[in-house]
Amino acid sequence: DTEVTQTPKHLVMGMTNKKSLKCEQHMGHRAMYWYKQKAKKPPELMFVYSYEKLSINESVPSRFSPECPNSSLLNLHLHALQPEDSALYLCASRGTAPEGYTFGSGTRLTVV
Amino acid sequence: QQQVKQSPQSLIVQKGGISIINCAYENTAFDYFPWYQQFPGKGPALLIAIRPDVSEKKEGRFTISFNKSAKQFSLHIMDSQPGDSATYFCAARSTGANNLFFGTGTRLTVIP
Repeated sequence: DTEVTQTPKHLVMGMTNKKSLKCEQHMGHRAMYWYKQKAKKPPELMFVYSYEKLSINESVPSRFSPECPNSSLLNLHLHALQPEDSALYLCASRGTAPEGYTFGSGTRLTVV
Repeated sequence: QQQVKQSPQSLIVQKGGISIINCAYENTAFDYFPWYQQFPGKGPALLIAIRPDVSEKKEGRFTISFNKSAKQFSLHIMDSQPGDSATYFCAARSTGANNLFFGTGTRLTVIP
């Protein structure tokens, strides 16, 4: 299995809702990433987990809360989001070789 | 501060023509330079990558040219096809670092 699977593919949520995005990989990769991508922009790094430990938090607001329950799963918990948080949220994983970055298809999030 | 500069922002090429996208960087610690292809609603997919110890790498119709002294690299798509129409991102990473720095993206349109 050489894929990163993200669910759901689309999510519409109100500003008072709590929701979670899920990412799963079974390639044995020990680094996992959350990126945010706005239209016509490159992906922006949000969080990096290395060996299930948070190693990078790029000054992301606390309304985004990452979680890495095990080496195959990565979650992003969302609470009290703003309309400007609407974006494509991408998960990626990386093996020991630098060429091992693999991106999921993303979750298209709309905050209303 | 944009770690990797990319141009042009958009590119229109006739079918069968050559598409050329350029990137430049400043950080001499970068030692891995991938190109990603992204279709609308999908995550970026690795297209081809190069390390600075070679000046050129070719895979099918896609070629990376690398100029270490000028700190520039470019993607050439030979015999461009309508199916190549997508957004292309160059990126760079240094060994041991957990972040991949993306260029700003080039939207390629190949017209029949």
